Amino acid sequence: EAQVTQNPRYLITVTGKKLTVTCSQNMNHEYMSWYRQDPGLGLRQIYYSMNVEVTDKGDVPEGYKVSRKEKRNFPLILESPSPNQTSLYFCATKTGMAEAFFGQGTRLTVV
Amino acid sequence: AQKITQTQPGMFVQEKEAVTLDCTYDTSDQSYGLFWYKQPSSGEMIFLIYQGSYDEQNATEGRYSLNFQKARKSANLVISASQLGDSAMYFCAMTPTSSGGSYIPTFGRGTSLIVHP
Repeated sequence: EAQVTQNPRYLITVTGKKLTVTCSQNMNHEYMSWYRQDPGLGLRQIYYSMNVEVTDKGDVPEGYKVSRKEKRNFPLILESPSPNQTSLYFCATKTGMAEAFFGQGTRLTVV
Repeated sequence: AQKITQTQPGMFVQEKEAVTLDCTYDTSDQSYGLFWYKQPSSGEMIFLIYQGSYDEQNATEGRYSLNFQKARKSANLVISASQLGDSAMYFCAMTPTSSGGSYIPTFGRGTSLIVHP
């Protein structure tokens, strides 16, 4: 079954404590991306990766890092989380032109 | 810069009726793609349908169709024969598709659809 798997699904953390949200896909897609969703704002892209070792900034990259060392994994790293990074995060891959496969989402709360 | 506008914060429809969710866009790109996504209350994002700016035919996927009017810059989603399970948030999005351009989609703020029995 085609899957994009994010972990954890829920996370509460404190300001400044580094965290990583993992994303893994089993479809051998070259493209992967990260979004955050905030009430009333729709989804905004944080980073995307066209292939291994190739990453680019999206609309809201500040405060985030990513890496793409292998095709299947695309972790999102918050080196020093702040309360304004409290959000719902999605990892996605695409085939063709559209982001067609999303992970289940990670609800992050930074206190 | 791209912009997506969904003017309907909420819509109600009777089960088995058709409903149109509005989406207008603004872009200076000549080549772009338009998408719709569904987000049920459980939170996952589900891809519904895609329309390329040069596609001559309106896209259809089962009960979903995209009413693409390029001159009016609109890309409305039509859901035929609504079902209770269609109750969800719906997001319109677009991205440039020119080769060599950056791939950063822009999403609208969403429309909440409630289907009544």
